Amino acid sequence: EVQVVESGGGLVQPGGSLRLSCAASGFTFSSYAMSWVRQAPGKGLEWVSAITGNGGDTYYADSVKGRFTISRDNSKTTFYLQMNSLEAEDTAVYYCARDRGGGGQPYDAFGVWGQGTMVTVSS
Amino acid sequence: DIQMTQSPSSLSASVGDRVTITCRASQSPYNNLNWYQLKPGKAPKLLIYAASSLHTGVPSRFSGSGSGTYFTLTISSLQPEDFATYYCQQSYTLPFTFGPGTKVDVK
Repeated sequence: EVQVVESGGGLVQPGGSLRLSCAASGFTFSSYAMSWVRQAPGKGLEWVSAITGNGGDTYYADSVKGRFTISRDNSKTTFYLQMNSLEAEDTAVYYCARDRGGGGQPYDAFGVWGQGTMVTVSS
Repeated sequence: DIQMTQSPSSLSASVGDRVTITCRASQSPYNNLNWYQLKPGKAPKLLIYAASSLHTGVPSRFSGSGSGTYFTLTISSLQPEDFATYYCQQSYTLPFTFGPGTKVDVK
């Protein structure tokens, strides 16, 4: 079964750090670009970051550039989101998502999603 | 950035109704337009990709159309499990952007 499962969410103080993980199974992980998408409470979906299948290229929304770092370990079929200098506006459910088609580049629909992990930034 | 808008922001409908949601882009994403269904506490689901292609396992009552900057999602006969929020999204250029969502609830 194809699935992705997020972990690592929690409560963190403003200015703090958190690392999210997304474990993948059921498909050839290195063939797919992966992304993080978030949904703040009462708001819509926002794309956060993406990484190509081989990990060679990374992309970020302006709202997180310079604070968040996406990475992946294809040997562990897992990718990550290191979040630093967290702000209250980063409070959201964070979803990991796999591209639909498997071309390794992120210009595709998000075909597989996890259930999400909640990140709360509050003092 | 490509800005996405949707209308209506919400609608009330009954089981069996035909429902149409529209999505407009500030510039053309060509056919790189996708539709998702989101329910509280559940993983989002891809319904339509490339403007009109039905994703694997999605019921045929869902369909997508459009081109240029105007796209639509149609549910031909609304079922109880279809009450949810629907989002369009462009995957043509970074940053990928979503519409604000359309909530479909029970009339």
